[in-house]
Amino acid sequence: EAGVTQFPSHSVIEKGQTVTLRCDPISGHDNLYWYRRVMGKEIKFLLHFVKESKQDESGMPNNRFLAERTGGTYSTLKVQPAELEDSGVYFCASSQRGVNYYEQYFGPGTRLTVT
Amino acid sequence: AQSVAQPEDQVNVAEGNPLTVKCTYSVSGNPYLFWYVQYPNRGLQFLLKYITGDNLVKGSYGFEAEFNKSQTSFHLKKPSALVSDSALYFCAVRDAGTGGFKTIFGAGTRLFVKA
Repeated sequence: EAGVTQFPSHSVIEKGQTVTLRCDPISGHDNLYWYRRVMGKEIKFLLHFVKESKQDESGMPNNRFLAERTGGTYSTLKVQPAELEDSGVYFCASSQRGVNYYEQYFGPGTRLTVT
Repeated sequence: AQSVAQPEDQVNVAEGNPLTVKCTYSVSGNPYLFWYVQYPNRGLQFLLKYITGDNLVKGSYGFEAEFNKSQTSFHLKKPSALVSDSALYFCAVRDAGTGGFKTIFGAGTRLFVKA
């Protein structure tokens, strides 16, 4: 079974540019989450999808961040325009419904550097 | 508000010795508690969870953790450390009372096991 994949693995952009991160969850997982870790600090929750619906987006920093999950499969996280403080590692995770939904499966992350 | 504290940035232990990685949490309701491990260039991997029942939970790779409600702690332990256990460990909590999926992570503790 393929795990959670994320693309790209690294991205270096200049302040003011736009970047789109992609996450492909494990097939059949209804729940999809985005997290961010900045400079060795805690991993912060950004938002949670159930299929294509946003269930909780309380962690999104501001309106420069837009997450979508059209069709309930893969998800994208767009940052427009990027600021220096957006640098960090963005993780995606997925989980299935049912008795195992507590456990989340993480992708390797996308390291975003804004210069 | 939910929070997780991992008071040690780094833990050093000799191979064969017991190890403990500390975690305390704060939630308004009952906690769901988790430990994840991250190896270099990899996503977080689930180690173990406490949902309900026995306070001592056993997980992958010989790790275990003890839920202590009075001390609001969920320390990760292993009786005999291996060099291959060297990695970054994250404690996490969800508030069962809210019914939501938002998971709060600690800042991580780096474990070094010396041969």
